[in-house]
Amino acid sequence: LAKTTQPISMDSYEGQEVNITCSHNNIATNDYITWYQQFPSQGPRFIIQGYKTKVTNEVASLFIPADRKSSTLSLPRVSLSDTAVYYCLVGVTPARSGSARQLTFGSGTQLTVLP
Amino acid sequence: DTEVTQTPKHLVMGMTNKKSLKCEQHMGHRAMYWYKQKAKKPPELMFVYSYEKLSINESVPSRFSPECPNSSLLNLHLHALQPEDSALYLCASSHLRDMNTEAFFGQGTRLTVV
Repeated sequence: LAKTTQPISMDSYEGQEVNITCSHNNIATNDYITWYQQFPSQGPRFIIQGYKTKVTNEVASLFIPADRKSSTLSLPRVSLSDTAVYYCLVGVTPARSGSARQLTFGSGTQLTVLP
Repeated sequence: DTEVTQTPKHLVMGMTNKKSLKCEQHMGHRAMYWYKQKAKKPPELMFVYSYEKLSINESVPSRFSPECPNSSLLNLHLHALQPEDSALYLCASSHLRDMNTEAFFGQGTRLTVV
Protein backbone atom coordinates (compact mmCIF):
# COMPACT_ATOMS: atom_id res chain seq x y z
CA LEU A 1 0.00 0.00 0.00
CA ALA A 2 1.15 3.53 -0.73
CA LYS A 3 1.53 5.00 2.76
CA THR A 4 0.96 8.71 3.28
CA THR A 5 2.43 11.02 5.90
CA GLN A 6 0.88 14.36 6.88
CA PRO A 7 1.35 16.83 9.76
CA ILE A 8 -0.93 15.96 12.66
CA SER A 9 -2.25 19.48 13.09
CA MET A 10 -2.05 23.03 11.75
CA ASP A 11 -3.41 26.34 12.93
CA SER A 12 -4.24 29.31 10.72
CA TYR A 13 -6.14 32.58 10.86
CA GLU A 14 -9.16 33.59 8.84
CA GLY A 15 -8.28 34.98 5.42
CA GLN A 16 -4.90 33.29 5.20
CA GLU A 17 -3.81 30.73 2.63
CA VAL A 18 -3.16 27.29 4.09
CA ASN A 19 -0.85 24.70 2.55
CA ILE A 20 -0.95 21.09 3.77
CA THR A 21 1.74 18.77 2.47
CA CYS A 22 1.48 15.01 2.17
CA SER A 23 4.36 12.66 1.42
CA HIS A 24 3.79 9.41 -0.47
CA ASN A 25 7.22 8.07 -1.34
CA ASN A 26 6.08 4.74 -2.78
CA ILE A 27 3.25 5.98 -4.97
CA ALA A 28 2.58 3.68 -7.94
CA THR A 29 2.60 4.80 -11.56
CA ASN A 30 -1.18 4.54 -11.95
CA ASP A 31 -2.11 6.10 -8.61
CA TYR A 32 -3.94 9.38 -8.33
CA ILE A 33 -3.71 11.60 -5.26
CA THR A 34 -6.99 12.52 -3.63
CA TRP A 35 -7.81 14.82 -0.74
CA TYR A 36 -10.86 14.58 1.48
CA GLN A 37 -12.27 16.88 4.18
CA GLN A 38 -14.09 15.59 7.23
CA PHE A 39 -16.12 17.45 9.84
CA PRO A 40 -16.90 15.80 13.20
CA SER A 41 -19.52 13.05 13.00
CA GLN A 42 -19.85 13.39 9.23
CA GLY A 43 -18.56 11.33 6.32
CA PRO A 44 -15.47 12.50 4.43
CA ARG A 45 -16.12 14.82 1.50
CA PHE A 46 -14.06 14.87 -1.72
CA ILE A 47 -12.07 18.07 -2.21
CA ILE A 48 -9.71 17.58 -5.13
CA GLN A 49 -7.78 14.97 -7.06
CA GLY A 50 -4.72 15.06 -9.31
CA TYR A 51 -2.07 13.01 -11.04
CA LYS A 52 0.72 15.51 -11.75
CA THR A 53 1.56 19.23 -11.90
CA LYS A 54 -1.31 21.44 -10.73
CA VAL A 55 -5.04 21.03 -10.42
CA THR A 56 -7.43 23.78 -9.35
CA ASN A 57 -11.14 23.77 -8.62
CA GLU A 58 -13.52 26.17 -6.92
CA VAL A 59 -12.37 25.29 -3.40
CA ALA A 60 -8.68 24.31 -3.57
CA SER A 61 -5.52 23.76 -5.57
CA LEU A 62 -3.33 20.69 -5.60
CA PHE A 63 0.36 20.90 -6.43
CA ILE A 64 2.24 17.74 -7.37
CA PRO A 65 5.97 17.82 -8.21
CA ALA A 66 7.42 15.86 -11.09
CA ASP A 67 8.57 12.94 -8.92
CA ARG A 68 5.03 12.67 -7.41
CA LYS A 69 6.47 11.66 -4.03
CA SER A 70 4.58 14.45 -2.31
CA SER A 71 1.62 16.74 -2.88
CA THR A 72 0.41 20.01 -1.37
CA LEU A 73 -3.21 20.97 -0.82
CA SER A 74 -3.67 24.73 -0.93
CA LEU A 75 -6.76 26.36 0.57
CA PRO A 76 -7.03 30.06 -0.33
CA ARG A 77 -8.38 32.53 2.23
CA VAL A 78 -9.64 30.05 4.81
CA SER A 79 -12.64 30.76 7.02
CA LEU A 80 -13.76 29.36 10.37
CA SER A 81 -15.89 26.80 8.54
CA ASP A 82 -12.76 25.25 7.01
CA THR A 83 -11.84 23.88 10.44
CA ALA A 84 -11.80 20.12 9.78
CA VAL A 85 -9.57 17.10 9.30
CA TYR A 86 -7.96 16.84 5.87
CA TYR A 87 -6.90 13.45 4.53
CA CYS A 88 -4.54 12.68 1.69
CA LEU A 89 -5.21 9.35 -0.06
CA VAL A 90 -3.27 7.48 -2.68
CA GLY A 91 -5.32 4.82 -4.40
CA VAL A 92 -4.01 1.28 -4.67
CA THR A 93 -4.03 -0.12 -8.17
CA PRO A 94 -6.27 -3.21 -8.12
CA ALA A 95 -4.67 -6.58 -8.76
CA ARG A 96 -7.21 -7.34 -11.47
CA SER A 97 -9.49 -5.26 -13.61
CA GLY A 98 -13.00 -4.87 -12.31
CA SER A 99 -11.88 -4.76 -8.68
CA ALA A 100 -12.35 -1.71 -6.52
CA ARG A 101 -9.38 0.24 -5.30
CA GLN A 102 -8.43 -0.12 -1.65
CA LEU A 103 -8.99 3.43 -0.41
CA THR A 104 -6.90 3.67 2.74
CA PHE A 105 -6.83 6.80 4.87
CA GLY A 106 -3.68 8.14 6.50
CA SER A 107 -3.70 9.85 9.86
CA GLY A 108 -4.97 13.17 8.50
CA THR A 109 -4.26 16.79 9.42
CA GLN A 110 -6.48 18.65 11.88
CA LEU A 111 -6.73 22.20 10.55
CA THR A 112 -7.97 24.78 13.04
CA VAL A 113 -8.86 28.21 11.69
CA LEU A 114 -8.78 30.93 14.31
CA PRO A 115 -10.62 34.26 14.18
CA ASP B 1 -28.45 12.32 -7.12
CA THR B 2 -24.94 12.25 -5.63
CA GLU B 3 -25.89 10.98 -2.22
CA VAL B 4 -25.04 7.93 -0.20
CA THR B 5 -27.78 7.41 2.37
CA GLN B 6 -27.14 5.50 5.58
CA THR B 7 -29.75 4.35 8.08
CA PRO B 8 -30.14 4.56 10.96
CA LYS B 9 -28.18 7.68 11.92
CA HIS B 10 -27.82 6.47 15.50
CA LEU B 11 -28.08 2.96 16.97
CA VAL B 12 -27.76 1.67 20.51
CA MET B 13 -27.61 -2.09 20.89
CA GLY B 14 -26.88 -4.63 23.57
CA MET B 15 -24.16 -7.23 23.24
CA THR B 16 -26.70 -9.98 22.57
CA ASN B 17 -28.69 -8.07 19.97
CA LYS B 18 -28.75 -8.53 16.21
CA LYS B 19 -29.05 -5.39 14.13
CA SER B 20 -28.30 -4.21 10.61
CA LEU B 21 -26.88 -1.04 9.12
CA LYS B 22 -28.11 -0.04 5.69
CA CYS B 23 -26.53 1.96 2.89
CA GLU B 24 -28.07 3.01 -0.41
CA GLN B 25 -26.82 4.86 -3.49
CA HIS B 26 -28.35 5.53 -6.90
CA MET B 27 -25.31 6.81 -8.75
CA GLY B 28 -24.70 3.58 -10.63
CA HIS B 29 -21.55 2.89 -8.63
CA ARG B 30 -20.42 -0.75 -8.67
CA ALA B 31 -17.89 -0.42 -5.84
CA MET B 32 -19.17 -0.06 -2.28
CA TYR B 33 -17.22 0.17 0.96
CA TRP B 34 -17.71 -0.14 4.71
CA TYR B 35 -15.42 1.82 7.05
CA LYS B 36 -15.23 1.99 10.83
CA GLN B 37 -14.10 5.21 12.50
CA LYS B 38 -13.23 5.63 16.18
CA ALA B 39 -13.07 9.07 17.76
CA LYS B 40 -10.12 11.19 16.56
CA LYS B 41 -8.89 8.40 14.28
CA PRO B 42 -9.03 8.04 10.48
CA PRO B 43 -11.61 5.76 8.88
CA GLU B 44 -10.48 2.13 8.77
CA LEU B 45 -11.43 0.05 5.77
CA MET B 46 -13.51 -3.03 6.65
CA PHE B 47 -15.01 -4.42 3.44
CA VAL B 48 -15.07 -3.66 -0.26
CA TYR B 49 -17.62 -4.94 -2.76
CA SER B 50 -17.04 -4.94 -6.51
CA TYR B 51 -20.00 -5.79 -8.74
CA GLU B 52 -21.91 -7.02 -5.69
CA LYS B 53 -19.16 -9.49 -4.78
CA LEU B 54 -16.95 -9.19 -1.71
CA SER B 55 -13.47 -8.32 -3.00
CA ILE B 56 -11.70 -7.14 0.15
CA ASN B 57 -12.19 -8.20 3.78
CA GLU B 58 -9.67 -6.49 6.03
CA SER B 59 -9.61 -9.32 8.59
CA VAL B 60 -12.81 -8.12 10.19
CA PRO B 61 -14.26 -10.31 13.00
CA SER B 62 -17.16 -12.53 11.98
CA ARG B 63 -19.57 -10.66 14.27
CA PHE B 64 -19.66 -8.17 11.36
CA SER B 65 -21.30 -9.68 8.28
CA PRO B 66 -21.61 -7.62 5.09
CA GLU B 67 -24.17 -8.19 2.38
CA CYS B 68 -24.70 -6.59 -1.01
CA PRO B 69 -28.16 -7.68 -2.23
CA ASN B 70 -28.06 -5.52 -5.37
CA SER B 71 -26.01 -2.79 -7.01
CA SER B 72 -27.68 -0.01 -4.98
CA LEU B 73 -27.74 -1.51 -1.51
CA LEU B 74 -25.12 -2.49 1.05
CA ASN B 75 -25.90 -3.92 4.46
CA LEU B 76 -23.78 -4.62 7.50
CA HIS B 77 -25.26 -7.21 9.84
CA LEU B 78 -24.19 -7.00 13.46
CA HIS B 79 -24.34 -9.77 16.03
CA ALA B 80 -22.82 -10.25 19.46
CA LEU B 81 -20.85 -7.02 19.33
CA GLN B 82 -18.54 -5.78 22.06
CA PRO B 83 -18.47 -2.30 23.64
CA GLU B 84 -15.20 -1.61 21.81
CA ASP B 85 -17.11 -1.92 18.52
CA SER B 86 -18.83 1.38 19.31
CA ALA B 87 -17.84 3.75 16.50
CA LEU B 88 -19.05 5.71 13.48
CA TYR B 89 -19.68 3.30 10.60
CA LEU B 90 -19.31 4.86 7.18
CA CYS B 91 -20.47 3.59 3.83
CA ALA B 92 -18.97 4.80 0.55
CA SER B 93 -19.38 4.11 -3.14
CA SER B 94 -17.44 4.80 -6.33
CA HIS B 95 -17.26 3.91 -9.99
CA LEU B 96 -15.06 0.98 -10.89
CA ARG B 97 -14.12 1.79 -14.44
CA ASP B 98 -11.78 4.76 -13.88
CA MET B 99 -8.58 4.82 -11.85
CA ASN B 100 -9.15 8.42 -10.80
CA THR B 101 -12.66 7.98 -9.52
CA GLU B 102 -13.67 9.71 -6.31
CA ALA B 103 -15.57 7.98 -3.54
CA PHE B 104 -18.79 9.39 -2.10
CA PHE B 105 -19.39 8.86 1.61
CA GLY B 106 -22.58 8.69 3.61
CA GLN B 107 -23.05 10.58 6.87
CA GLY B 108 -22.48 7.44 8.87
CA THR B 109 -24.25 5.48 11.59
CA ARG B 110 -23.17 6.26 15.14
CA LEU B 111 -23.21 2.87 16.87
CA THR B 112 -23.09 2.44 20.64
CA VAL B 113 -22.80 -1.05 22.08
CA VAL B 114 -23.87 -1.34 25.72
